[in-house]
Amino acid sequence: KNQVEQSPQSLIILEGKNCTLQCNYTVSPFSNLRWYKQDTGRGPVSLTIMTFSENTKSNGRYTATLDADTKQSSLHITASQLSDSASYICVCFLVGDDKIIFGKGTRLHILP
Amino acid sequence: NAGVTQTPKFRVLKTGQSMTLLCAQDMNHEYMYWYRQDPGMGLRLIHYSVGEGTTAKGEVPDGYNVSRLKKQNFLLGLESAAPSQTSVYFCASRPYSTAQPQHFGDGTRLSIL
Repeated sequence: KNQVEQSPQSLIILEGKNCTLQCNYTVSPFSNLRWYKQDTGRGPVSLTIMTFSENTKSNGRYTATLDADTKQSSLHITASQLSDSASYICVCFLVGDDKIIFGKGTRLHILP
Repeated sequence: NAGVTQTPKFRVLKTGQSMTLLCAQDMNHEYMYWYRQDPGMGLRLIHYSVGEGTTAKGEVPDGYNVSRLKKQNFLLGLESAAPSQTSVYFCASRPYSTAQPQHFGDGTRLSIL
């Protein structure tokens, strides 16, 4: 069964600290993996996309990693800001299919 | 650059009433999707469309119908609303290439009393 599991469910950190969010997937055939950020009351917005051959991709203070062997991805946020408070959703696309598998998200709270 | 626009943003219905949610995209995307998002459940696919005039069922299609008469619009209909359909509904679109991300609207918050 195609699944995307994210951990932790929620996380609270102080402003300026770093954090790492995890995503484990059992998806086949795997095409690519994306991380989305969803602010409260808004739709998700794409942060990064990673294909099978990519290990690391950065977008400002966000760095995503992908280990295709262990089927794990992480999203690292550096020097967190209050505006990073949001839900972060891991999403997998399947090859040659219209299916997109969503994780349930990690809710991140940044405290001043 | 409007992107994906959903109307209405909020709606309260009584059980048994019907309504249509409208999604419009101005990016000439082939694919369009309707999702519902409930607490602790993540996004679940209701219906999707791979092009004008075509629709397909997703993970949770029961109680909903859709139409894609024009490439830029994707309509989601509730024929007889039920309290279990209280949710936030998101529309998304993307081009044919999976190398490009989905673009989401900001959602329609629907309450069924």
